[in-house]
Amino acid sequence: SQQGEEDPQALSIQEGENATMNCSYKTSINNLQWYRQNSGRGLVHLILIRSNEREKHSGRLRVTLDTSKKSSSLLITASRAADTASYFCATDEYDYKLSFGAGTTVTVRA
Amino acid sequence: EAQVTQNPRYLITVTGKKLTVTCSQNMNHEYMSWYRQDPGLGLRQIYYSMNVEVTDKGDVPEGYKVSRKEKRNFPLILESPSPNQTSLYFCASRTPGTNYEQYFGPGTRLTVT
Repeated sequence: SQQGEEDPQALSIQEGENATMNCSYKTSINNLQWYRQNSGRGLVHLILIRSNEREKHSGRLRVTLDTSKKSSSLLITASRAADTASYFCATDEYDYKLSFGAGTTVTVRA
Repeated sequence: EAQVTQNPRYLITVTGKKLTVTCSQNMNHEYMSWYRQDPGLGLRQIYYSMNVEVTDKGDVPEGYKVSRKEKRNFPLILESPSPNQTSLYFCASRTPGTNYEQYFGPGTRLTVT
């Protein structure tokens, strides 16, 4: 079952612009994680936000979490060509299981 | 270097020919999982293991088998592959508990003709 759903499915921006993507989920969570996947490669963990946190920063990444709306957003500031990738949110449906959405594909144009 | 390795990275096979995709991690993680990734469907969990000799079905286990005889290894077995198992497969591992990131292997692209 797919817990998280990202929006939009695809995003194209100019280098230097900000990219924002959203994730909605269905059930209560302990935390929410964001991962990046470069074309056809393994996913890489970006950031984890706990259910009692509202906002978290890591470098050019800013993640927010609204548990009342069951939604999260990932903001990438001052985007670079190297940010071109697919981004996935993941929720801990159970301790042994992370459920992933279908992802947002971000293209950063030079 | 902490990593999850998978082999082979690419595989083209024919319907019905048994195959095994190996997965190994060097982080002493208890939890390991196999996922398949298909366009528009995200990652779907095939099987997971919570420790040696403890495995269970994920969301899409039909047509797959796994084993966990050693903590570091978690092979995925396709006894009789079919074309609908053509996909990109990922092995992953992590520490138990809900506040730990998951480490992914580089992926195995399987084509079944």
